[in-house]
Amino acid sequence: DGGITQSPKYLFRKEGQNVTLSCEQNLNHDAMYWYRQDPGQGLRLIYYSQIVNDFQKGDIAEGYSVSREKKESFPLTVTSAQKNPTAFYLCASSMAGGAYNSPLHFGNGTRLTVT
Amino acid sequence: AQSVAQPEDQVNVAEGNPLTVKCTYSVSGNPYLFWYVQYPNRGLQFLLKYITGDNLVKGSYGFEAEFNKSQTSFHLKKPSALVSDSALYFCAVRDKDTGFQKLVFGTGTRLLVSP
Repeated sequence: DGGITQSPKYLFRKEGQNVTLSCEQNLNHDAMYWYRQDPGQGLRLIYYSQIVNDFQKGDIAEGYSVSREKKESFPLTVTSAQKNPTAFYLCASSMAGGAYNSPLHFGNGTRLTVT
Repeated sequence: AQSVAQPEDQVNVAEGNPLTVKCTYSVSGNPYLFWYVQYPNRGLQFLLKYITGDNLVKGSYGFEAEFNKSQTSFHLKKPSALVSDSALYFCAVRDKDTGFQKLVFGTGTRLLVSP
């Protein structure tokens, strides 16, 4: 089955630690995205990548970093510089060039709790 | 910049009754519009999209949406609600003419269908 796999489902970290969230897709999609979801705020774009070895900041990139070394993988690192890291993180992908009529396919998310 | 508004935080409807979840949008060019559904602790699932053509779009699970250009609206509808339709619904828009592929989401509307 084609899809997007995010791991782990739940993640707990102490304040001051960096943490990396995994996202893998086997849909052969070129574009990949990271969104953050907070109650009552909808989804906010953190980073996106249209092609391997290239990525752009979204609306709330501060305190986050990404890499895109392989087409299938788009890991997100939440650094200690992120002021409010506790949230539900969603990875998504879409067809080549982010074709405008192409819907996003989402993983099942990682819930990160930082104490 | 494009934006989406979902004016209702929650919609309550009895099973068997018709449902409507409202969405209005703002873009500088022509819109591509999407509806997604999210069940608890899961990612978003694509329901339907409007690209061009017929103003009434049919999607998954019996849902449909009506595009109204003059009112800049894209309301989600279903003739007969099911308890299993209870979930969080997101409207999203892409601006076709700005050359930017970012998908902007509304804040979501929780649909509660009572037996």
